[in-house]
Amino acid sequence: KAGVTQTPRYLIKTRGQQVTLSCSPISGHRSVSWYQQTPGQGLQFLFEYFSETQRNKGNFPGRFSGRQFSNSRSEMNVSTLELGDSALYLCASSFGLGGLSTNEKLFFGSGTQLSVL
Amino acid sequence: QKEVEQDPGPLSVPEGAIVSLNCTYSNSAFQYFMWYRQYSRKGPELLMYTYSSGNKEDGRFTAQVDKSSKYISLFIRDSQPSDSATYLCAMSAGGTSYGKLTFGQGTILTVHP
Repeated sequence: KAGVTQTPRYLIKTRGQQVTLSCSPISGHRSVSWYQQTPGQGLQFLFEYFSETQRNKGNFPGRFSGRQFSNSRSEMNVSTLELGDSALYLCASSFGLGGLSTNEKLFFGSGTQLSVL
Repeated sequence: QKEVEQDPGPLSVPEGAIVSLNCTYSNSAFQYFMWYRQYSRKGPELLMYTYSSGNKEDGRFTAQVDKSSKYISLFIRDSQPSDSATYLCAMSAGGTSYGKLTFGQGTILTVHP
């Protein structure tokens, strides 16, 4: 069974540009979550999508946005890039069905390493 | 103060040692507790998943949760050089906290032959 796939693996951008990252979840998973990982702040939750709807959102500015398609694939967009946006962006997928069973088990991709110059 | 506190280490142990990794937390709403392992330039890999208090064992790994003390632990027995990685604790309140895990800072572990 294929894991979570993120593309591209590496990106270099300059300040003020925008960037789009892509994530394909594990087959059968309908929930996709996005995280930012930096040495200083660690892993921080950005947002979660399920059936093309954002269900949960972290404390990031509006420059960070996302969407999900009908096949559960998701994209994350960052506009007007700042130097501080340099980070590893991780996508995670799960069944997202709620309840007390397996919905909280998140499986992560290898991430997209974004460098902003 | 962070919701989840984890000693960043680094921790260096000889092969075969028992490793103890710990996290404390302040949010009493957390009820799902996880440990992830992250190798350099890779995403976190789920190691252990526990709901509420208690112990869970999987091979060389044992996870413990003490909700009364807001304290979780991961024990690695017979540690191997391949266990060298960053270990992250993560927690969730469940319910409508869809997709949101709160992570510790991670502990860097090196197991030397």
